[in-house]
Amino acid sequence: DAGVIQSPRHEVTEMGQEVTLRCKPISGHNSLFWYRQTMMRGLELLIYFNNNVPIDDSGMPEDRFSAKMPNASFSTLKIQPSEPRDSAVYFCASRHVREEAFFGQGTRLTVV
Amino acid sequence: SQQGEEDPQALSIQEGENATMNCSYKTSINNLQWYRQNSGRGLVHLILIRSNEREKHSGRLRVTLDTSKKSSSLLITASRAADTASYFCATEGIQGAQKLVFGQGTRLTINP
Repeated sequence: DAGVIQSPRHEVTEMGQEVTLRCKPISGHNSLFWYRQTMMRGLELLIYFNNNVPIDDSGMPEDRFSAKMPNASFSTLKIQPSEPRDSAVYFCASRHVREEAFFGQGTRLTVV
Repeated sequence: SQQGEEDPQALSIQEGENATMNCSYKTSINNLQWYRQNSGRGLVHLILIRSNEREKHSGRLRVTLDTSKKSSSLLITASRAADTASYFCATEGIQGAQKLVFGQGTRLTINP
């Protein structure tokens, strides 16, 4: 397996634009997580899915953020409209229940 | 809060010395996990220790867990320059199963 695959690796966008981050989890994993990492706030859990169902989205900062998992092999995190303070590295991770998580390489988002 | 807190925030030692990092948490857990992150990369899993375990080893790594004190430690023996990275603990709580929450991390620098 190629591991967790995220795209794009880098994204630069203008304030107000819509941004969509994509994640392909490891086949067979039934949990998927989206995290955001910044120097100031560290690694924040935004949302996690279990069997494609959102279980806890309490970390999603605002209504501008939304996440979907239409099937077991794909998830998206959307920001609309984007703001400069959304600039961060966004990580997707997947795992089997109660086991270790496998992280993607992250998407570095810059909103100007 | 379930979130783990690592101590120290930064650690600098000479190559060959041992490095010890600590993690404290606040709520009961199912397991505690340690991860490493090299600059600009995704997190990589090191060790998972379950709540009924007290110590685990993996190569030069040793992890201990004291559930009565709600704390864990990661020991890296005979450190190498390649061990330079940030180290994070993550806790999976009993409530809200499968929610994996990370601490702020310890930045470890190994000087040659």
